[in-house]
Amino acid sequence: EVVLTQSPATLSLSPGQRATLSCRASQNVSSYLAWYQQKPGQAPRLLIYDTSIRATGIPARFSGSGSATDFTLKISSLEAEDFAVYYCQQRTIWPPTFGQGTKVDIK
Amino acid sequence: EVQLVESGGGLVQPGGSLRLSCAASGFTFGNYWMHWVRQAPGKGLVWVSRINSDGSSISYADSVKGRFTISRDNAKNTLSLHMNSLRGEDTAVYFCARVRPYFDSWGQGTLVTVSA
Repeated sequence: EVVLTQSPATLSLSPGQRATLSCRASQNVSSYLAWYQQKPGQAPRLLIYDTSIRATGIPARFSGSGSATDFTLKISSLEAEDFAVYYCQQRTIWPPTFGQGTKVDIK
Repeated sequence: EVQLVESGGGLVQPGGSLRLSCAASGFTFGNYWMHWVRQAPGKGLVWVSRINSDGSSISYADSVKGRFTISRDNAKNTLSLHMNSLRGEDTAVYFCARVRPYFDSWGQGTLVTVSA
Protein backbone atom coordinates (compact mmCIF):
# COMPACT_ATOMS: atom_id res chain seq x y z
CA GLU A 1 0.00 0.00 0.00
CA VAL A 2 1.02 3.62 -0.47
CA VAL A 3 2.63 5.17 2.58
CA LEU A 4 2.04 8.90 2.98
CA THR A 5 4.57 10.68 5.16
CA GLN A 6 3.60 14.10 6.46
CA SER A 7 5.98 16.71 7.78
CA PRO A 8 6.46 18.31 10.13
CA ALA A 9 4.60 16.37 12.82
CA THR A 10 3.81 19.64 14.58
CA LEU A 11 3.88 23.18 13.30
CA SER A 12 3.77 25.94 15.91
CA LEU A 13 2.70 29.24 14.43
CA SER A 14 0.92 32.46 15.36
CA PRO A 15 -2.34 33.75 13.87
CA GLY A 16 -1.62 35.62 10.66
CA GLN A 17 1.41 33.53 9.79
CA ARG A 18 1.70 31.29 6.76
CA ALA A 19 1.60 27.51 7.19
CA THR A 20 3.25 25.06 4.80
CA LEU A 21 2.50 21.35 5.27
CA SER A 22 4.14 18.57 3.30
CA CYS A 23 2.92 15.12 2.24
CA ARG A 24 5.24 12.66 0.52
CA ALA A 25 3.98 9.46 -1.10
CA SER A 26 5.95 6.22 -1.33
CA GLN A 27 4.65 5.71 -4.87
CA ASN A 28 3.40 7.95 -7.66
CA VAL A 29 -0.21 8.87 -6.85
CA SER A 30 -0.58 11.23 -9.82
CA SER A 31 -2.79 14.13 -8.75
CA TYR A 32 -5.32 12.10 -6.74
CA LEU A 33 -4.52 13.47 -3.34
CA ALA A 34 -6.76 15.19 -0.81
CA TRP A 35 -6.30 17.14 2.41
CA TYR A 36 -8.58 17.00 5.46
CA GLN A 37 -8.80 19.11 8.57
CA GLN A 38 -9.76 17.59 11.91
CA LYS A 39 -10.46 19.43 15.14
CA PRO A 40 -10.60 17.68 18.54
CA GLY A 41 -13.73 15.60 18.97
CA GLN A 42 -14.87 16.23 15.42
CA ALA A 43 -14.94 14.31 12.18
CA PRO A 44 -12.45 15.18 9.46
CA ARG A 45 -13.52 17.78 6.91
CA LEU A 46 -12.50 17.66 3.27
CA LEU A 47 -10.49 20.76 2.37
CA ILE A 48 -8.72 20.06 -0.92
CA TYR A 49 -9.10 17.28 -3.47
CA ASP A 50 -7.28 16.32 -6.67
CA THR A 51 -4.24 18.12 -5.26
CA SER A 52 -5.47 21.68 -5.67
CA ILE A 53 -9.28 21.96 -5.86
CA ARG A 54 -10.91 23.49 -2.82
CA ALA A 55 -13.99 21.68 -1.55
CA THR A 56 -17.27 23.53 -1.23
CA GLY A 57 -17.12 26.34 1.30
CA ILE A 58 -13.38 26.17 1.90
CA PRO A 59 -11.77 29.63 2.12
CA ALA A 60 -9.27 30.78 -0.47
CA ARG A 61 -6.49 30.99 2.13
CA PHE A 62 -6.18 27.20 1.75
CA SER A 63 -4.29 26.05 -1.33
CA GLY A 64 -2.82 22.78 -2.49
CA SER A 65 -0.10 21.93 -4.97
CA GLY A 66 2.19 19.14 -6.09
CA SER A 67 2.15 15.98 -8.15
CA ALA A 68 3.34 12.38 -8.25
CA THR A 69 5.00 11.96 -4.82
CA ASP A 70 5.33 15.43 -3.33
CA PHE A 71 2.42 17.56 -2.22
CA THR A 72 1.96 20.73 -0.21
CA LEU A 73 -0.91 22.35 1.64
CA LYS A 74 -0.53 26.05 2.34
CA ILE A 75 -2.60 28.27 4.59
CA SER A 76 -1.78 31.83 3.60
CA SER A 77 -2.68 33.56 6.84
CA LEU A 78 -3.68 31.45 9.84
CA GLU A 79 -6.93 32.26 11.55
CA ALA A 80 -7.96 31.03 14.99
CA GLU A 81 -10.18 28.30 13.56
CA ASP A 82 -7.34 26.85 11.45
CA PHE A 83 -5.45 25.39 14.41
CA ALA A 84 -6.14 21.69 13.96
CA VAL A 85 -4.68 18.45 12.62
CA TYR A 86 -4.34 18.05 8.86
CA TYR A 87 -4.24 14.74 7.00
CA CYS A 88 -3.41 13.95 3.40
CA GLN A 89 -5.06 10.99 1.65
CA GLN A 90 -4.49 9.26 -1.70
CA ARG A 91 -7.03 7.37 -3.77
CA THR A 92 -4.87 6.35 -6.73
CA ILE A 93 -3.68 2.97 -5.47
CA TRP A 94 -5.98 0.65 -3.52
CA PRO A 95 -6.49 0.74 -0.57
CA PRO A 96 -6.97 4.42 0.18
CA THR A 97 -4.40 5.58 2.71
CA PHE A 98 -3.90 8.58 4.95
CA GLY A 99 -0.82 10.33 6.23
CA GLN A 100 -0.15 10.33 9.96
CA GLY A 101 -1.16 13.98 10.27
CA THR A 102 0.40 17.37 10.95
CA LYS A 103 -0.78 19.29 13.98
CA VAL A 104 -0.88 23.05 13.55
CA ASP A 105 -0.90 24.59 17.00
CA ILE A 106 -0.71 28.08 18.42
CA LYS A 107 2.75 29.36 19.21
CA GLU B 1 -28.12 18.81 4.27
CA VAL B 2 -26.10 15.60 4.19
CA GLN B 3 -26.17 13.81 7.53
CA LEU B 4 -24.48 10.62 8.64
CA VAL B 5 -25.17 9.42 12.17
CA GLU B 6 -23.32 6.44 13.60
CA SER B 7 -24.52 4.35 16.52
CA GLY B 8 -23.81 1.05 18.20
CA GLY B 9 -20.42 1.67 19.76
CA GLY B 10 -19.57 0.69 23.30
CA LEU B 11 -17.40 -1.43 25.56
CA VAL B 12 -16.90 -5.04 24.52
CA GLN B 13 -14.62 -7.79 25.78
CA PRO B 14 -11.88 -9.22 23.58
CA GLY B 15 -13.34 -11.85 21.31
CA GLY B 16 -16.75 -10.23 21.44
CA SER B 17 -18.97 -8.80 18.73
CA LEU B 18 -20.58 -5.48 17.98
CA ARG B 19 -22.72 -4.04 15.23
CA LEU B 20 -22.32 -0.45 14.13
CA SER B 21 -24.94 1.42 12.15
CA CYS B 22 -24.83 4.61 10.12
CA ALA B 23 -28.08 6.37 9.29
CA ALA B 24 -27.89 8.54 6.20
CA SER B 25 -30.13 11.43 5.21
CA GLY B 26 -30.10 14.48 2.97
CA PHE B 27 -28.91 12.67 -0.15
CA THR B 28 -29.79 9.69 -2.34
CA PHE B 29 -28.01 7.05 -0.27
CA GLY B 30 -28.32 4.32 -2.88
CA ASN B 31 -26.25 6.29 -5.39
CA TYR B 32 -23.05 6.39 -3.34
CA TRP B 33 -20.25 4.11 -2.27
CA MET B 34 -19.85 4.16 1.48
CA HIS B 35 -16.86 3.48 3.70
CA TRP B 36 -15.87 2.93 7.31
CA VAL B 37 -12.74 4.67 8.59
CA ARG B 38 -11.42 4.32 12.12
CA GLN B 39 -9.21 6.33 14.41
CA ALA B 40 -7.54 4.85 17.46
CA PRO B 41 -7.26 7.21 20.44
CA GLY B 42 -4.70 9.91 19.67
CA LYS B 43 -3.81 8.33 16.34
CA GLY B 44 -4.46 8.92 12.65
CA LEU B 45 -7.15 7.82 10.23
CA VAL B 46 -7.22 4.27 8.90
CA TRP B 47 -9.50 2.96 6.17
CA VAL B 48 -11.46 -0.15 7.24
CA SER B 49 -13.99 -1.19 4.61
CA ARG B 50 -16.09 -0.05 1.66
CA ILE B 51 -19.22 -1.11 -0.14
CA ASN B 52 -20.40 -0.01 -3.56
CA SER B 53 -23.75 1.59 -4.20
CA ASP B 54 -25.81 -1.61 -4.62
CA GLY B 55 -23.82 -3.77 -2.21
CA SER B 56 -22.43 -6.07 -4.89
CA SER B 57 -18.78 -5.16 -4.35
CA ILE B 58 -17.04 -5.06 -0.97
CA SER B 59 -13.48 -4.60 0.26
CA TYR B 60 -11.76 -4.79 3.64
CA ALA B 61 -8.47 -3.78 5.14
CA ASP B 62 -6.27 -6.82 5.80
CA SER B 63 -6.42 -6.09 9.53
CA VAL B 64 -10.18 -6.76 9.67
CA LYS B 65 -10.70 -9.22 6.82
CA GLY B 66 -12.56 -12.30 7.96
CA ARG B 67 -13.75 -10.60 11.17
CA PHE B 68 -15.75 -7.59 9.96
CA THR B 69 -18.71 -7.54 7.55
CA ILE B 70 -19.99 -4.41 5.86
CA SER B 71 -23.52 -4.23 4.52
CA ARG B 72 -26.13 -1.71 3.51
CA ASP B 73 -29.90 -1.38 3.25
CA ASN B 74 -30.71 1.21 0.60
CA ALA B 75 -34.43 1.06 1.42
CA LYS B 76 -33.65 2.13 4.98
CA ASN B 77 -30.70 4.42 4.11
CA THR B 78 -28.50 2.52 6.50
CA LEU B 79 -24.91 1.30 6.44
CA SER B 80 -23.76 -1.37 8.88
CA LEU B 81 -20.53 -2.89 10.13
CA HIS B 82 -20.67 -6.22 11.93
CA MET B 83 -17.53 -6.73 13.96
CA ASN B 84 -16.61 -10.15 15.32
CA SER B 85 -13.59 -11.53 17.20
CA LEU B 86 -12.76 -8.06 18.42
CA ARG B 87 -9.25 -7.31 19.62
CA GLY B 88 -7.71 -4.55 21.67
CA GLU B 89 -6.26 -3.00 18.56
CA ASP B 90 -9.78 -2.52 17.20
CA THR B 91 -10.38 0.13 19.88
CA ALA B 92 -11.15 3.30 17.95
CA VAL B 93 -13.71 5.83 16.89
CA TYR B 94 -15.43 4.44 13.82
CA PHE B 95 -16.61 6.92 11.20
CA CYS B 96 -18.88 6.20 8.27
CA ALA B 97 -18.12 8.33 5.25
CA ARG B 98 -19.55 9.01 1.83
CA VAL B 99 -17.15 8.89 -1.07
CA ARG B 100 -17.47 11.10 -4.10
CA PRO B 101 -14.71 9.97 -4.84
CA TYR B 102 -13.01 11.45 -1.81
CA PHE B 103 -14.46 11.26 1.72
CA ASP B 104 -16.66 14.33 1.34
CA SER B 105 -19.10 13.70 4.19
CA TRP B 106 -18.45 12.05 7.54
CA GLY B 107 -20.50 11.08 10.54
CA GLN B 108 -19.51 12.20 14.02
CA GLY B 109 -18.15 8.76 14.85
CA THR B 110 -18.93 6.09 17.43
CA LEU B 111 -16.40 4.84 19.96
CA VAL B 112 -15.64 1.14 20.21
CA THR B 113 -13.59 0.07 23.22
CA VAL B 114 -12.31 -3.50 23.38
CA SER B 115 -11.16 -4.30 26.88
CA ALA B 116 -11.57 -6.91 29.58
